[in-house]
Amino acid sequence: DAGVIQSPRHEVTEMGQEVTLRCKPISGHDYLFWYRQTMMRGLELLIYFNNNVPIDDSGMPEDRFSAKMPNASFSTLKIQPSEPRDSAVYFCASSLTRGSTGELFFGEGSRLTVL
Amino acid sequence: AQSVTQPDIHITVSEGASLELRCNYSYGATPYLFWYVQSPGQGLQLLLKYFSGDTLVQGIKGFEAEFKRSQSSFNLRKPSVHWSDAAEYFCAVGAQGGSYIPTFGRGTSLIVHP
Repeated sequence: DAGVIQSPRHEVTEMGQEVTLRCKPISGHDYLFWYRQTMMRGLELLIYFNNNVPIDDSGMPEDRFSAKMPNASFSTLKIQPSEPRDSAVYFCASSLTRGSTGELFFGEGSRLTVL
Repeated sequence: AQSVTQPDIHITVSEGASLELRCNYSYGATPYLFWYVQSPGQGLQLLLKYFSGDTLVQGIKGFEAEFKRSQSSFNLRKPSVHWSDAAEYFCAVGAQGGSYIPTFGRGTSLIVHP
């Protein structure tokens, strides 16, 4: 089975540009998470969805960040406008609650560099 | 609220030596506990998990961890480290029942010397 698929793997952009990160969760999983990883702050939970509905977005740093999940197989994280401090690795993860013990399956991440 | 502390930011061991990575958690009831490993440039991968039963759990790659309720700890061990074990290790705690969204520790970076 395919794992969690993220794109792009690497993105370099200039300050002020819009950035869209994409995620395809594992088929059948009902939770989807977006994390951000930096050296300074470690792994931060930005937002998570359950059955395509955003449940908790308290980790989203600013209004410049938004996330959507239009269907069970696709989610986006958008940053508009981007700033250099947004440079980080962004991970998407999914999990299955029914019969599960809470294991998260992570994608390989999208490394964002904002110049 | 649940929380996780990994007191060691970096650990350096020689290849072939034993390893113990510390993890302490805070949670009011019986938790789910996890160890994940992150190799350079990769996402996190589950090493092992505890949710009930035997407090000594075996994982992949020869790792094991022991749940000690009295010490609120879930330390990760390996008897003989290989150079390929160099990575970042994350401990996480989740709540049993209801929402189980895990809380991650800051991670411990393992450096292996030849």
